[in-house]
Amino acid sequence: EVQLVESGGDLVQPGGSLRLSCAASGFTFSTYDIHWVRQATGKGLEWVSAIGTAGDTYYQGSVKGRFTISRENAKNSVHLQMDSLRAEDTAVYFCAKGAVGAGALSLVDSWGQGTLVTVSS
Amino acid sequence: QSVLTQPPSASGTPGQRVTISCSGSSSNIGNNYVYWYQQLPGTAPKLLISKNNQRPSGVPARFSGSKSGTSASLAISGLRSEDEADYYCAAWDDSLRGRGVFGGGTKLTVL
Repeated sequence: EVQLVESGGDLVQPGGSLRLSCAASGFTFSTYDIHWVRQATGKGLEWVSAIGTAGDTYYQGSVKGRFTISRENAKNSVHLQMDSLRAEDTAVYFCAKGAVGAGALSLVDSWGQGTLVTVSS
Repeated sequence: QSVLTQPPSASGTPGQRVTISCSGSSSNIGNNYVYWYQQLPGTAPKLLISKNNQRPSGVPARFSGSKSGTSASLAISGLRSEDEADYYCAAWDDSLRGRGVFGGGTKLTVL
């Protein structure tokens, strides 16, 4: 069974930093792209970032230059380093597994439960 | 403004068939798989339809997906009260070096 467990969400001041982690199990981690998707309270889903099997990275425009995604295949984990945080980054952040794998980027088929990031003074 | 366009709301009575549309462009729906998700309040999204029209195990046959050109749709037949939820379409987009894109979501109400 695929499991994705996010951690690291917290309350942080504007301009601050936070590092989210996603621990994966139940599938061959190194062969799938992993994504972060966020959802502000009462709003829709918003794709944030993804990392491919070769370590190629992708970002949504509003986080480019501020967020950095990375993966550790030996530990079946993905991280999202978030710097220069803004109030509009406040959301639940979900980790999710790519649906196709083998180097092909696609949207996702499994989701974690999410971790809450609040950016406020 | 979402890259993929969905109606903000839809409704139907129990037993009815409801469809939710999702409109995109050649860089996303036109050239990549479409995925549909169901989200109940306070829970993580759940995959309903994968790769345009494939139902994961455990998803009832009442749910079906289709794609034509740069548009896709989700159909729910034999509507049930427990289908009341938010529904999102999504796809990979090949523009801007590659990114994921979602629709704005459709709130389905079972009357």
